[in-house]
Amino acid sequence: LAKTTQPISMDSYEGQEVNITCSHNNIATNDYITWYQQFPSQGPRFIIQGYKTKVTNEVASLFIPADRKSSTLSLPRVSLSDTAVYYCLVGDKAAGNKLTFGGGTRVLVKP
Amino acid sequence: GAVVSQHPSRVICKSGTSVKIECRSLDFQATTMFWYRQFPKKSLMLMATSNEGSKATYEQGVEKDKFLINHASLTLSTLTVTSAHPEDSSFYICSARIPPAYLAGAPRDTQYFGPGTRLTVL
Repeated sequence: LAKTTQPISMDSYEGQEVNITCSHNNIATNDYITWYQQFPSQGPRFIIQGYKTKVTNEVASLFIPADRKSSTLSLPRVSLSDTAVYYCLVGDKAAGNKLTFGGGTRVLVKP
Repeated sequence: GAVVSQHPSRVICKSGTSVKIECRSLDFQATTMFWYRQFPKKSLMLMATSNEGSKATYEQGVEKDKFLINHASLTLSTLTVTSAHPEDSSFYICSARIPPAYLAGAPRDTQYFGPGTRLTVL
């Protein structure tokens, strides 16, 4: 299983950009990197997914270097409602696509 | 987008009783669903993989006789916590794997999660 490592927590202020880096040194060739957001007492919500280079959608950007051993989720101009736990996951194709959640990063956006 | 529902959202039961939690894929067929458990301020822990028409695959340390999983149709998987005890109190979340043909350009290896079920055993 490709294990991921993220910072435990990050604080930010409204309007700032938040960048969360995830390490996944053992990522396999066919694995994709997926980020989820979770609010308290809710199921995780899909944010973005990528394989290499850069991916951008209406919510976030995902930067993946050439070696794919890490990835950075970028949240532009965060608001208070972006306070949540963010999980970085790497798909495990060999195990039927089951996902192994790491500890996640608790992001607190302050006014 | 893909929607996964769970029922009930919250349940309180007495110790020793059994509780059934339903997970439905509302607008797509899911041959594979997953069940997770999450304790307060902790990450999600995968309990088992539910495959339509076959037996579930349990993660190491998860008692299959205590957490019964049934995936009888392509849109429904159920988790039954048998003889529940206070230590089973937790937040149970299901997810469904999106079939490749469901959404054009859909992310690969992506799961969509249900809203979760809060179980409290007294």
